[in-house]
Amino acid sequence: EVQLLESGGGLAQPGGSLRLSCTASELIFATYDKHWVRQAPGKGLEWLSSVGGGGAATAYADSVKGRFTVSRDSSHRTLYLQMNSLRAEDTALYYCAARRGCSGAICYGLEYWGQGALVTVSS
Amino acid sequence: DFQMTQFPSSLSASVGDRVTITCRASQGFGGWLAWYQQKPGKVPKLLIYKTSILESGVPSRFSGSASGTDFTLTISSLQSDDFATYYCQQYGNYPWTFGQGTKVEIK
Repeated sequence: EVQLLESGGGLAQPGGSLRLSCTASELIFATYDKHWVRQAPGKGLEWLSSVGGGGAATAYADSVKGRFTVSRDSSHRTLYLQMNSLRAEDTALYYCAARRGCSGAICYGLEYWGQGALVTVSS
Repeated sequence: DFQMTQFPSSLSASVGDRVTITCRASQGFGGWLAWYQQKPGKVPKLLIYKTSILESGVPSRFSGSASGTDFTLTISSLQSDDFATYYCQQYGNYPWTFGQGTKVEIK
């Protein structure tokens, strides 16, 4: 069954760091584009970052560029989001999401979502 | 950066009503637009991608269309299960962007 499972959320101080993990099923990890999306309490969705199925191509939202880094560990089928220089406005539920990428002339939306990991940045 | 302006931010409707939600793009992006439904406390669910392609298992009362840089989600006959928040998302250009969301409430 297709599955994404986030972990690593918690409380961090402003200026501190946290690393989120997202463990994926074999199919998703091997071939799907993987993304991080967050949702601040009571707010909308914000796309943060992505890594392509092959792991080479990454992209970031301006709000996190230079502070957050996405990476993957193939041996553990795990996607990571290293979050540094955290700010109060980074407080949110962080989702790992995945899509098939593009097949022929069709590029898919985010088909699979984890349940989210809550990050709270507060002193 | 690319901007997606979604409206209305909320609407009240009755079961059986036809509902439309619009996202306006700040520039062209090849029509790589998706719509998601999110219920309170739940994970977003993909409804439509590439402007108008229905995700597998999504009821046919949902449809998507475009006119220029305006993209529309239509629910032809609102059902009780459809009361939720809906988001558009462009994925034609990085950074990807979501609309602000539209909360569909019961009248």
